[in-house]
Amino acid sequence: DTGVSQNPRHKITKRGQNVTFRCDPISEHNRLYWYRQTLGQGPEFLTYFQNEAQLEKSRLLSDRFSAERPKGSFSTLEIQRTEQGDSAMYLCASSPKVRLAGVTDTQYFGPGTRLTVL
Amino acid sequence: DAKTTQPNSMESNEEEPVHLPCNHSTISGTDYIHWYRQLPSQGPEYVIHGLTSNVNNRMASLAIAEDRKSSTLILHRATLRDAAVYYCILRDSGKGNKLVFGAGTILRVKS
Repeated sequence: DTGVSQNPRHKITKRGQNVTFRCDPISEHNRLYWYRQTLGQGPEFLTYFQNEAQLEKSRLLSDRFSAERPKGSFSTLEIQRTEQGDSAMYLCASSPKVRLAGVTDTQYFGPGTRLTVL
Repeated sequence: DAKTTQPNSMESNEEEPVHLPCNHSTISGTDYIHWYRQLPSQGPEYVIHGLTSNVNNRMASLAIAEDRKSSTLILHRATLRDAAVYYCILRDSGKGNKLVFGAGTILRVKS
């Protein structure tokens, strides 16, 4: 098990450009999450997939943001027309299917993609 | 989601125990108490969680007050590698799956 991987690890872009990040979850984890973290703050939830279905989106996920998980495996997060305020660490996490009612899942995080918008 | 309150920072000496407190006075009966930590330049990692009883694992212990309005994460022997931001998070098992992070406690470990 190689853990959650994210690519690229760093991305520098100019304002107005589009960027896309990829997350590969732990094999057989059916749940996948995206979070955003700015300096000095805890991560903030963006969106959540169960298999290929996007079940929850935060109000932080403006219409410039779109996330997909087409085959229920890897996921992509795209930001269109980037703004300087989008500069942050984008974290992906995955968790296995919860088999028992009332038991919460443990989320396994990747190392993140650091985005800098100039 | 119910709110948690943690000190901004704490300091410990290497090889000594560390007690990281968390207040959660509005906790509901179905909220689990989770702890995650984030080492520098890494994503958060799970530490421990519990509902009512105290819990132990290889990383830490979790002591939960009888009224569940507070809890304490205990690192039995702090090492330099334990220097991280520690997050106390409440999760209702029936209400979705996202983690709601606060600012956490920055733990500094001195050699």
